[in-house]
Amino acid sequence: ELKVEQNPLFLSMQEGKNYTIYCNYSTTSDRLYWYRQDPGKSLESLFVLLSNGAVKQEGRLMASLDTKARLSTLHITAAVHDLSATYFCAVDNQLAGTSYGKLTFGQGTILTVHP
Amino acid sequence: EAGVAQSPRYKIIEKRQSVAFWCNPISGHATLYWYQQILGQGPKLLIQFQNNGVVDDSQLPKDRFSAERLKGVDSTLKIQPAKLEDSAVYLCASSLAGAKRAGELFFGEGSRLTVL
Repeated sequence: ELKVEQNPLFLSMQEGKNYTIYCNYSTTSDRLYWYRQDPGKSLESLFVLLSNGAVKQEGRLMASLDTKARLSTLHITAAVHDLSATYFCAVDNQLAGTSYGKLTFGQGTILTVHP
Repeated sequence: EAGVAQSPRYKIIEKRQSVAFWCNPISGHATLYWYQQILGQGPKLLIQFQNNGVVDDSQLPKDRFSAERLKGVDSTLKIQPAKLEDSAVYLCASSLAGAKRAGELFFGEGSRLTVL
């Protein structure tokens, strides 16, 4: 059974600081996703990482994937208050010959950015 | 482009009652998913449809949950009878299966169920 673990689960940061959220998973997969969720809202897709060594950046967020280590990171640079949200990583449990999208999610990291 | 539509947004019922949720995916998306998100946890897949056929329903509690996707577009998820532990947000998602970004899921805003 695929397990996905994120750490930390809670992250309180000051504006302007840098930090990294880690996502470890237990079985082989080459597709990993990062989502953002604001309170009471749905999930917003941030990054789709499709291969070993993939790195993607959008604004102050950068995500990377190491399939050999079964590890993905979400790095936050110079945090601002607007980044406060819950961040989920999700690993695709795809079966050979079928469509993708059977995602196993981590527990989520609640990020709070303080002035 | 219109997103994934879900209704109702909120529902409060008593245990042993029944409830149904509706989902309209993004136009042209062949694959549709229902996820359950319990407060404080990540979403968990309940069922996956490809067009109007079921791809995976291994985590659907079939004694009380049922889902259908008639004509390969809209879908309904039904719970009968509801239990207290069914209190959660039910998220519908769709994806453009077979495209370059196959597997990227677009989520609706969810239907929040409270069972008393």
